[in-house]
Amino acid sequence: AQSVTQPDIHITVSEGASLELRCNYSYGATPYLFWYVQSPGQGLQLLLKYFSGDTLVQGIKGFEAEFKRSQSSFNLRKPSVHWSDAAEYFCAVGVMMYSGGGADGLTFGKGTHLIIQP
Amino acid sequence: EPEVTQTPSHQVTQMGQEVILRCVPISNHLYFYWYRQILGQKVEFLVSFYNNEISEKSEIFDDQFSVERPDGSNFTLKIRSTKLEDSAMYFCASSEGRGYQETQYFGPGTRLLVL
Repeated sequence: AQSVTQPDIHITVSEGASLELRCNYSYGATPYLFWYVQSPGQGLQLLLKYFSGDTLVQGIKGFEAEFKRSQSSFNLRKPSVHWSDAAEYFCAVGVMMYSGGGADGLTFGKGTHLIIQP
Repeated sequence: EPEVTQTPSHQVTQMGQEVILRCVPISNHLYFYWYRQILGQKVEFLVSFYNNEISEKSEIFDDQFSVERPDGSNFTLKIRSTKLEDSAMYFCASSEGRGYQETQYFGPGTRLLVL
């Protein structure tokens, strides 16, 4: 079965500094990969997704992620963080396992809590 | 911007009681999902729903769980006889179409506490 690992539970970054959040997945074929963000009291918002093609994916809010098949990784980056980026970040993988026309659930990592220092 | 809404935001219940968690998906979406996140653990897929029937379900979604679309706007998750281990944040999501090219939009969640 597929799995997602986010090795960092908490990360603290100074405002204006660069950010990289790590995500590793376990799945035999190329999965569908996602990054979601959750601000306090809000739902999970999709930042970006990767299906195929260019391995560097651009998302909303200035985020990007790079798919590296050799490392089974899909790390999220941002060149300069803002205080409003403080949130919980979730990496997720989707695997086509449906039959008969059903819809498919995502497999999530545990999340990384991002703290921004002034 | 359209969003998924969930009620209540918090629910406290006694073990053995039935609870119903409510969701209003985005209006033109056809696929609906429930996920849960036990404190400190991963967000886990429970069930997906399309055309008034369950499409996929995980091993967590046992006989004590059921889902329903009682009218044209609501999507509910019922837990028949709650257990302590059902305490979690429950997220509803919806998507316009099927497949991962279709973004799943999540609600803010309902935090369920079973005492």
